[in-house]
Amino acid sequence: DQQVKQNSPSLSVQEGRISILNCDYTNSMFDYFLWYKKYPAEGPTFLISISSIKDKNEDGRFTVFLNKSAKHLSLHIVPSQPGDSAVYFCAAGSTSYDKVIFGPGTSLSVIP
Amino acid sequence: EADIYQTPRYLVIGTGKKITLECSQTMGHDKMYWYQQDPGMELHLIHYSYGVNSTEKGDLSSESTVSRIRTEHFPLTLESARPSHTSQYLCASSERVYYGYTFGSGTRLTVV
Repeated sequence: DQQVKQNSPSLSVQEGRISILNCDYTNSMFDYFLWYKKYPAEGPTFLISISSIKDKNEDGRFTVFLNKSAKHLSLHIVPSQPGDSAVYFCAAGSTSYDKVIFGPGTSLSVIP
Repeated sequence: EADIYQTPRYLVIGTGKKITLECSQTMGHDKMYWYQQDPGMELHLIHYSYGVNSTEKGDLSSESTVSRIRTEHFPLTLESARPSHTSQYLCASSERVYYGYTFGSGTRLTVV
């Protein structure tokens, strides 16, 4: 049973517009969440994280929103750039143990 | 410049061969992880270590084994490779998972 779900396998967005990537989780024990970006033939790169005590965290063009009651988080990229084209993984973890569960990823294409 | 190194990047090997995938990090992180990823699928944790002489199996059952004799080195070994072992293997390390893993570039293994 998938504990971290990313129901959109792919997303296409025009350059300059907003990209919104969604993630749902089932385990209420998760207390922090992370987003990673992965280019082909490379390892994932950490983007941004959020603790369950917050509902928003921002870093430059990237903002993550957390809705604990809905067990839902989203990553907003504004403005989207062609270099953002990659696979984005949502991940969730608990401070009780130092390892995370990854979702299946969403492939983002930013069209020039 | 990568602080965590995986070799080889690509490996094609025959069934029954013994292989070792190398992973080294220069950051002094105690926590290290091995993930397995098939195309379009989530990353599955197969092994982790919280320090020297500490190794644990992850959430996905794997026939591979690991060792942690030095902080910076976390190799993964398959005693007898099979076609079902064909996958991408990603090594990661972290100071604290909330701060994000640092991933290596991965080893893409093909067993023929």
